[in-house]
Amino acid sequence: NAGVMQNPRHLVRRRGQEARLRCSPMKGHSHVYWYRQLPEEGLKFMVYLQKENIIDESGMPKERFSAEFPKEGPSILRIQQVVRGDSAAYFCASSPPVRGSLYGYTFGSGTRLTVV
Amino acid sequence: GQQVMQIPQYQHVQEGEDFTTYCNSSTTLSNIQWYKQRPGGHPVFLIQLVKSGEVKKQKRLTFQFGEAKKNSSLHITATQTTDVGTYFCAGPSNAGNMLTFGGGTRLMVKP
Repeated sequence: NAGVMQNPRHLVRRRGQEARLRCSPMKGHSHVYWYRQLPEEGLKFMVYLQKENIIDESGMPKERFSAEFPKEGPSILRIQQVVRGDSAAYFCASSPPVRGSLYGYTFGSGTRLTVV
Repeated sequence: GQQVMQIPQYQHVQEGEDFTTYCNSSTTLSNIQWYKQRPGGHPVFLIQLVKSGEVKKQKRLTFQFGEAKKNSSLHITATQTTDVGTYFCAGPSNAGNMLTFGGGTRLMVKP
């Protein structure tokens, strides 16, 4: 029973390029959450999605960032025109199909994005 | 907005010493969760507390949820080098849709 799968593990992008981060939730989990962690800092909520729906994107920067969770396939976090400040670890978590904070999250291994 | 704060931010201990991290929320929580993140790793769920005043133990780890359900603590007895990592508490957001994480306490253990 595979856990939450994130890829790639490491991603290097030049300033101005696009970054695409993928997350496949655990089997049976239909809720996906994206968090960002800057070096030596805590986890900051970005967006909460269910299949084909964005439930809460209050933590997502208004520009350059977008997320989706299509009916088929993984959830995608997309960062356009990356800047150095986007360098961080991006973690995806999933939970069972109940209200998003009632059960512990299972996190993926994360994608470490480095913008050069 | 809701805030979840943890102290201390860092803690160095000698192996065998005890360790405690404290978590405080600006709002009453329906539950509180604790996670551990090893250096270079990802957060791993440890436990969830739901009831006021609840105390749960996992081997050398003791978790407590305050009576007012606004604070929590994690105590590790006789730390070992395997306890190294950052410990995060997390509580439901105001809307209840997702978890708000504290800033974490980074534990370093000297052998």
